[in-house]
Amino acid sequence: GENVEQHPSTLSVQEGDSAVIKCTYSDSASNYFPWYKQELGKRPQLIIDIRSNVGEKKDQRIAVTLNKTAKHFSLHITETQPEDSAVYFCAASKTNAGKSTFGDGTTLTVKP
Amino acid sequence: EPEVTQTPSHQVTQMGQEVILRCVPISNHLYFYWYRQILGQKVEFLVSFYNNEISEKSEIFDDQFSVERPDGSNFTLKIRSTKLEDSAMYFCASTNQGAIYGYTFGSGTRLTVV
Repeated sequence: GENVEQHPSTLSVQEGDSAVIKCTYSDSASNYFPWYKQELGKRPQLIIDIRSNVGEKKDQRIAVTLNKTAKHFSLHITETQPEDSAVYFCAASKTNAGKSTFGDGTTLTVKP
Repeated sequence: EPEVTQTPSHQVTQMGQEVILRCVPISNHLYFYWYRQILGQKVEFLVSFYNNEISEKSEIFDDQFSVERPDGSNFTLKIRSTKLEDSAMYFCASTNQGAIYGYTFGSGTRLTVV
């Protein structure tokens, strides 16, 4: 089955710096790659996603890149703010009615 | 904005007891999921449900687990004979077009088995 690896497990940056979180996946049939943000004690919330027919997608300070050949995708957050502090999960899916496989999560801390 | 609603928010149960976790997905969504998250760990897939049947389940989803959509709105997860290791946050999720679209997660049920 699909295996998603996520790095780093923890990331600490100064406010205003950029943060990059990387994920790799094993199943070349996966074609949808969402990113979720989970604040402490709350539900995961979708923040951005990318499909396999696209190499990059941007939404304000957040961008995601996908390299299908290498089977990896990354989340980039620019101009980080303290409210960006959370656990970020990547995931990979390939079928409608099946599952998303999640990475282990990255705890991002943005220091003011 | 439409929400996925889960009840109860917290459930404490004795080992060996049965629990039912309830979810009300977004009304026009067709695909329903249960995930669990042990404290501090990743989100783990349990089961997906579409067209009134299970479409995929994980190794975690063994015979002690079952899901049901008893009416047009509720989606339930039953855990028979709970074990200590079932203690986790259980999230329900739904989408209107399947796992290749982003999930809307419910706020979760924290299950504590004592």
